[in-house]
Amino acid sequence: EPEVTQTPSHQVTQMGQEVILRCVPISNHLYFYWYRQILGQKVEFLVSFYNNEISEKSEIFDDQFSVERPDGSNFTLKIRSTKLEDSAMYFCASSETTGRFGYTFGSGTRLTVV
Amino acid sequence: DQQVKQNSPSLSVQEGRISILNCDYTNSMFDYFLWYKKYPAEGPTFLISISSIKDKNEDGRFTVFLNKSAKHLSLHIVPSQPGDSAVYFCAATLNNAGNMLTFGGGTRLMVKP
Repeated sequence: EPEVTQTPSHQVTQMGQEVILRCVPISNHLYFYWYRQILGQKVEFLVSFYNNEISEKSEIFDDQFSVERPDGSNFTLKIRSTKLEDSAMYFCASSETTGRFGYTFGSGTRLTVV
Repeated sequence: DQQVKQNSPSLSVQEGRISILNCDYTNSMFDYFLWYKKYPAEGPTFLISISSIKDKNEDGRFTVFLNKSAKHLSLHIVPSQPGDSAVYFCAATLNNAGNMLTFGGGTRLMVKP
């Protein structure tokens, strides 16, 4: 069964450093997403991406965050200057059509900011 | 902002019995609802969904019921199996924001053999 692949599975970074979280969505999917889950809290929407541009973003997705699809297969989330509160599990997801029919999520990257 | 709420953080059920997971929402503009299952160290896995124009959708052992007047939905698992032990999230989406899911806080289901 096709999978969404995320790397690395765990990233530890110093506060103020830039991090890039990487995702390989399912190849025939057209919509791409990032969500995050802070420990003990809800899964929260960050951003959706379609046709090489952001289609929706949440209040969390401020100027510190950016997304990119640098080639035909990768989808990345960059956090420019990490803060302690950015520590969370970050999930990438993709869907063939709109999300109401269900995304496929990756296994997540656990980001720890120290 | 608690537009989607799952009031039971955990549920324990005996194998073979019915599991009923509940979810409430406040935004009447939500028009599609989904359930996801999550195992530790994995991403959420889509289970089943329901449109707001329906009141029931069934897929094998999983049935989702929607009560729009009460702004309530539930997921029934019959019969429950130990492999169903996981965290279950309900989620909702708006018609004009078809890609963004708003998740509930999750319910941890434990199915005892």
